[in-house]
Amino acid sequence: KAGVTQTPRYLIKTRGQQVTLSCSPISGHRSVSWYQQTPGQGLQFLFEYFSETQRNKGNFPGRFSGRQFSNSRSEMNVSTLELGDSALYLCASSLAPQGGSYNEQFFGPGTRLTVL
Amino acid sequence: SQELEQSPQSLIVQEGKNLTINCTSSKTLYGLYWYKQKYGEGLIFLMMLQKGGEEKSHEKITAKLDEKKQQSSLHITASQPSHAGIYLCGASVYTGNQFYFGTGTSLTVIP
Repeated sequence: KAGVTQTPRYLIKTRGQQVTLSCSPISGHRSVSWYQQTPGQGLQFLFEYFSETQRNKGNFPGRFSGRQFSNSRSEMNVSTLELGDSALYLCASSLAPQGGSYNEQFFGPGTRLTVL
Repeated sequence: SQELEQSPQSLIVQEGKNLTINCTSSKTLYGLYWYKQKYGEGLIFLMMLQKGGEEKSHEKITAKLDEKKQQSSLHITASQPSHAGIYLCGASVYTGNQFYFGTGTSLTVIP
């Protein structure tokens, strides 16, 4: 079974631009979560999608948005990029939603975004 | 503020030594997960603990969840260079149903 794939793996953008990152979950997984990882803040939850609906959202500004398609693939979008958005963005998929359920998340390799 | 605190932040040990990493929460945890990450890469699942007092082992790594389900420890016996990386605990807490990660522990094993 193929693992979680994320594209692109590396991205360089300039301030003010927008970016779209893609995540393909493991076949059969319907939950996709996104995380931002930076040296200063560590791994922080962005949002979770299950069956095309956003279930949870972390404490990030509205510039960060996402969506999930009927095939469970997910995209996240960051508009008006800032220098502080430079980070490793990780996507994780699981069979069932987060929260109270003992549900292992499988992580992709991440997309390294650099904002200049 | 961090929902999950890990200690220590970093650890440098000689190959063959034992070590312990702790993960503490102020709230009751609904499932505690341990992951390992090589720098700049995705996370690799190590173990999941569900019940208070539970203990699981895989090869030379043992993880425990305390009775009150608010603290977990990860113990590595006879460390090897392959154990090097960043160890992260993760958990769901009831409030907000969100998944949190700990602050991470960077492990270096010197041959």
